[in-house]
Amino acid sequence: AQSVTQLGSHVSVSEGALVLLRCNYSSSVPPYLFWYVQYPNQGLQLLLKYTSAATLVKGINGFEAEFKKSETSFHLTKPSAHMSDAAEYFCAVSDYSYGQNFVFGPGTRLSVLP
Amino acid sequence: DTGVSQDPRHKITKRGQNVTFRCDPISEHNRLYWYRQTLGQGPEFLTYFQNEAQLEKSRLLSDRFSAERPKGSFSTLEIQRTEQGDSAMYLCASSPPGAHRYGYTFGSGTRLTVV
Repeated sequence: AQSVTQLGSHVSVSEGALVLLRCNYSSSVPPYLFWYVQYPNQGLQLLLKYTSAATLVKGINGFEAEFKKSETSFHLTKPSAHMSDAAEYFCAVSDYSYGQNFVFGPGTRLSVLP
Repeated sequence: DTGVSQDPRHKITKRGQNVTFRCDPISEHNRLYWYRQTLGQGPEFLTYFQNEAQLEKSRLLSDRFSAERPKGSFSTLEIQRTEQGDSAMYLCASSPPGAHRYGYTFGSGTRLTVV
């Protein structure tokens, strides 16, 4: 069965500082991995996805994530935080053997301090 | 195409009442999903349609919940005899075939409050 853990339910960084949001997954087969962002009272917006091509994936708004199979990780980073990055971030895993459903992590709330 | 639309955005209902939510997916997407999200949690899978066929249902979807997608276009999610525990954000998403490659496109959700 698939599962996703996100270390740190709340992360605070200063504006301009590095953002690192952690995601670890378990999957019995090679996974497809996604990061979504959710702003208050909104749905989820796809940030980036890993689908077995390049292990370093670039997404929107300057975010990127690196797939590390040996560590079963897919951490999200951004070199310099902006106030507008404050939101909830969700990591999700899917694999074809599990049908068409994604399993989402519990989320990490990112706060950006001025 | 305006993306995935959900209606209403907010619903307040009294315990025991029935509520129905609507989702209009992206027109080219034949897959449609319902998820539930409670405060501080990630979305949890409820059910999934491929065209008009409901292919999978979560154990979270009790007998009080029913979902339809009659013509393979829009979908409705009905909750009968609502309980306070049903208070949550109900998210709809759609995808083309191969969602695991492309990801979902989510709507803005319907926030249900049961009082």
